[in-house]
Amino acid sequence: DIVMTQSPDSLAVSLGERATINCKSSRNLLYSSNNKNYLAWYQQKPGQPPKLLIYWASTRESGVPDRFSGSGSGTDFTLTISSLQAEDVADYYCQQYESIPFTFGPGSKVDIK
Amino acid sequence: EVQLVESGGDLVQPGGSLRLSCAASGFTFSNYSMSWVRQVPGKGLEWVSVISGSGDRTYYADFLKGRFSISRDNSKNTLYLQMNSLRAEDTAVYFCAKGTGGSCYSALDSWGQGTLVTVSS
Repeated sequence: DIVMTQSPDSLAVSLGERATINCKSSRNLLYSSNNKNYLAWYQQKPGQPPKLLIYWASTRESGVPDRFSGSGSGTDFTLTISSLQAEDVADYYCQQYESIPFTFGPGSKVDIK
Repeated sequence: EVQLVESGGDLVQPGGSLRLSCAASGFTFSNYSMSWVRQVPGKGLEWVSVISGSGDRTYYADFLKGRFSISRDNSKNTLYLQMNSLRAEDTAVYFCAKGTGGSCYSALDSWGQGTLVTVSS
């Protein structure tokens, strides 16, 4: 199975500052046939279901603010919140969907400093 | 607007069975893969199973060891999860989620609110 790790486990960032979360896969998520990375990012606020932010590692889901961006390829990926807003306080998860069983990272908690 | 509404969660004894349902609306159900993801309260997300849009392909997490079965009725726009031989460690909120495409190899772009399954004597 592909193991997903995330760092840091939690981070506190001042309003308006940049937040960066890293996700590492134990195997390459780049599928050579279509040159796509099978990596998604989700945001989950307390008491709510997860919400898709990014798929194919860097494609922003419709309606997601452009302060959220995804980057990386192969085994190393990053979610960046360019200017943290109060409503961004949440848990963030990466997920690989390249290989069954699909697996999530353990999550990273983002809070306000 | 996409809507996914889970039901069927309950308190069940170890070794018991339960069937979860997920009623979908707002999109052409048969065109999209559907998944189940679970979450122990206060813990992380755990992928459970996925079914293709046509229902001809299904995949499961290794830890299920054949105890769960995913299915769908495209005429009723409903997804199911049959859960047998339930264990205490299956206690969790179960979410249904819609794939971004018909292939099972899709991100999950819409989620239900979840239904709580508690396995306890």
